[in-house]
Amino acid sequence: AQSVTQLGSHVSVSEGALVLLRCNYSSSVPPYLFWYVQYPNQGLQLLLKYTTGATLVKGINGFEAEFKKSETSFHLTKPSAHMSDAAEYFCAVRNPNAGGTSYGKLTFGQGTILTVHP
Amino acid sequence: NAGVTQTPKFQVLKTGQSMTLQCAQDMNHEYMSWYRQDPGMGLRLIHYSVGAGITDQGEVPNGYNVSRSTTEDFPLRLLSAAPSQTSVYFCASNPRGSEQFFGPGTRLTVL
Repeated sequence: AQSVTQLGSHVSVSEGALVLLRCNYSSSVPPYLFWYVQYPNQGLQLLLKYTTGATLVKGINGFEAEFKKSETSFHLTKPSAHMSDAAEYFCAVRNPNAGGTSYGKLTFGQGTILTVHP
Repeated sequence: NAGVTQTPKFQVLKTGQSMTLQCAQDMNHEYMSWYRQDPGMGLRLIHYSVGAGITDQGEVPNGYNVSRSTTEDFPLRLLSAAPSQTSVYFCASNPRGSEQFFGPGTRLTVL
C-alpha cells in the first residue's frame, strides 16, 4: 500500500523568502507524484507532476519539485514567496503499475497550510 | 468547457436523511472519482469509476453508493446521513495517463 507524509501541517514564511514544503512517500515501486494547491473555498489545482524522465520538475507560479528516489521524497520549493502563494498544498501519489484502475486513484498527504507574512 | 461541476455547493442534512451529490464533466474523461476532505487528513478516496458502468470502492466507501450510467455523470449517494459524514466532497475526472481535474466541492453538514 502507498502512503504519503507531509512534514509540517503549517509552514509560515516571509514574503520574498524561500518556500520549502516537504513530502515523503512510501511505495513498493517508484510512483507517479503530484503537487496540488487549494486556495480558500476552492477545488484543487495541479501545480506540477512527476511521472518519468527528468527528476527536477517545474510547475506553475514558479514552483518546482525534485524526485529523489533514494530519499523517497518529492519536496516542493519556490525561491521567493509571494502573498498570493498563501494556500493549502497537497502531495499525492499514484502507483503506475496497478493497471488501468490506478488512473482514478490518488493517495494524498495530510496537507500543508502555507502562510506568507508581509 | 465547464470542466468538472458539482451541485449543490452547500447542503445541511439531518441524521438519517438521504441525498445525492451531483458531479458532471464535459471533457469526455474516462475516469471519475469521489474524495472527501477532512481537516488534517488530506483527501480520501470514496469511490471511483474507470468508465461508464464500472465502479469500485476506494479507501472509505461505507455509507456511500455510486453509479455511472454515462461518461459525463458520476453521482454520489448518501444512504442514511450520519454526523461523521460532515465533510467537503470533491469530484475529479481524468483521461487515462493524465492528472486528475477537480470540481469546486460540496460542503456537507449533517446535524
